[in-house]
Amino acid sequence: DVKVTQSSRYLVKRTGEKVFLECVQDMDHENMFWYRQDPGLGLRLIYFSYDVKMKEKGDIPEGYSVSREKKERFSLILESASTNQTSMYLCASSQRKGPTGGYTFGSGTRLTVV
Amino acid sequence: KQEVTQIPAALSVPEGENLVLNCSFTDSAIYNLQWFRQDPGKGLTSLLLIQSSQREQTSGRLNASLDKSSGRSTLYIAASQPGDSATYLCAVIDNTDKLIFGTGTRLQVFP
Repeated sequence: DVKVTQSSRYLVKRTGEKVFLECVQDMDHENMFWYRQDPGLGLRLIYFSYDVKMKEKGDIPEGYSVSREKKERFSLILESASTNQTSMYLCASSQRKGPTGGYTFGSGTRLTVV
Repeated sequence: KQEVTQIPAALSVPEGENLVLNCSFTDSAIYNLQWFRQDPGKGLTSLLLIQSSQREQTSGRLNASLDKSSGRSTLYIAASQPGDSATYLCAVIDNTDKLIFGTGTRLQVFP
């Protein structure tokens, strides 16, 4: 069964810590995405990548960075965690445009910053 | 700018009813449309993907239709069950491969 795997389901970090959220996909997808989901605000795109070493800013990139050193792995980095980054973080992957194109999501990481 | 709206925002029905969830989008230049289900505190599970050249897709009790020219998609759930209770999200995929999500429909099916 094809999968997008996020390394942690729940994470509690302190304000000011550097936080790494890891995402791995086994579908050989070119595209990978990071979203955050908050009540009343829906899903918002943080960063995305169309290929290894590539990254593009989404709608809310401030306070975040990403790394994609290998095709299957896309990491989201909170440089200095703040309480307003407490949220559910969702990783997704997809093929480039094609007949079977569609998104596959991971199970999410619930991050609490205290 | 593409906007995706889902109606109704919430729905509560008895078990066994046939349901229709609606999704509308403002820009018909979409690549694909995908329906997802999300259980509380969990990730998104893909239900159906409709490519722009298709008009509908079916999986079990689910059927989704797409009318690009009118900017609408409908998810039909037959013979609803309590296990169908979840939030249903519609999302369009634009020509940059990005997803634009709808506002969601929260469904509760009671026994």
